[in-house]
Amino acid sequence: NAGVTQTPKFRILKIGQSMTLQCTQDMNHNYMYWYRQDPGMGLKLIYYSVGAGITDKGEVPNGYNVSRSTTEDFPLRLELAAPSQTSVYFCASSTMGGGYGYTFGSGTRLTVV
Amino acid sequence: GESVGLHLPTLSVQEGDNSIINCAYSNSASDYFIWYKQESGKGPQFIIDIRSNMDKRQGQRVTVLLNKTVKHLSLQIAATQPGDSAVYFCAENRGGDFGNEKLTFGTGTRLTIIP
Repeated sequence: NAGVTQTPKFRILKIGQSMTLQCTQDMNHNYMYWYRQDPGMGLKLIYYSVGAGITDKGEVPNGYNVSRSTTEDFPLRLELAAPSQTSVYFCASSTMGGGYGYTFGSGTRLTVV
Repeated sequence: GESVGLHLPTLSVQEGDNSIINCAYSNSASDYFIWYKQESGKGPQFIIDIRSNMDKRQGQRVTVLLNKTVKHLSLQIAATQPGDSAVYFCAENRGGDFGNEKLTFGTGTRLTIIP
């Protein structure tokens, strides 16, 4: 099994550009999450989804959007990139919420210049 | 404010020795705790978890201790190996409507194993 796959692994964006971070999982997990990790900080929840068609904001949703049209995919959209969005982004999935059995992807390192 | 934090940002341990990584939490309603290991360039990897109705849980070379009286969590790694070098995070489930609980992560401790 591939688990949770994130693409791209690295990206440099200019201020004001947009991009989509891709996340796909092959474990048929209902729950999916997007986190960002800033240097020396813990992971902060951006958005999460409890199933296809259902998404909700996390702790730091401003500047991001998500969609969940299928169980497998949970893309994260950055509109009008800003330097404050320079971070490492992790996608995770689980069979249920609450932290049980999270599987994380390997991350996307994004730099906004 | 409420937080999940770590006492030490870095820890160096001689190979073969035991290591202890600490974590403080402040929400007495939290009922589930997890330790993750994050190697350089990779995503967090589950190590061990513990529910609030337990005070100790053991895995392979790892033990998690939970002291609810002082809101303290620790991860003990026995006979450390070079592969144990990583950043270790604690995370807590602060509760909520079933299915919508979310984890809150600590800032992490970098463990370095000295050969």
